Amino acid sequence: EAGVAQSPRYKIIEKRQSVAFWCNPISGHATLYWYQQILGQGPKLLIQFQNNGVVDDSQLPKDRFSAERLKGVDSTLKIQPAKLEDSAVYLCASSFTLAGGRGNEQFFGPGTRLTVL
Amino acid sequence: LAKTTQPISMDSYEGQEVNITCSHNNIATNDYITWYQQFPSQGPRFIIQGYKTKVTNEVASLFIPADRKSSTLSLPRVSLSDTAVYYCLVGDRGDKLIFGTGTRLQVFP
Repeated sequence: EAGVAQSPRYKIIEKRQSVAFWCNPISGHATLYWYQQILGQGPKLLIQFQNNGVVDDSQLPKDRFSAERLKGVDSTLKIQPAKLEDSAVYLCASSFTLAGGRGNEQFFGPGTRLTVL
Repeated sequence: LAKTTQPISMDSYEGQEVNITCSHNNIATNDYITWYQQFPSQGPRFIIQGYKTKVTNEVASLFIPADRKSSTLSLPRVSLSDTAVYYCLVGDRGDKLIFGTGTRLQVFP
């Protein structure tokens, strides 16, 4: 079974530029998550989709971050404009149903390491 | 959402059993306890999940006492490849997962 795919793996941009990340979840997984992981910290949930609808985006900095999941499959996360503090690894994960509860484990992709100069 | 507390780091030697304890004093009735493992430059990977008593799979055991206010992840006979960060998470179906800083396990030869 193919895992969660993410691209690019690495990205270096200057502050105030824009950047986009792509995620392809495991086939059949209805729920998709984007996390931000700053060095030395645990992942922080940015946004959670159930099919193509947003379930939780309470921690998404909406003035600069946006995400979409067209057709309930692939998803893109965009940052515009980027700030120095956005330097982090951006992880995408998917699960068969909503996380939590028995058996609803999340499967994570390898992440995209973003460096903002 | 229940908050969890774990040791920041632990050291061990190859072949030893490692027990990582997580405290979750305000765990709710419907909450499950889940552990993830993360290697450098990789996303977290599910290890084990439980609700009460003991759960065992091919890589680990999870011990949960009757009051469920803590849990212990047990890794039998660790190897160098078990060096990673381990996260304890508590949540109900539908709750978002909140990762803490985790426990950094270092295994020495």
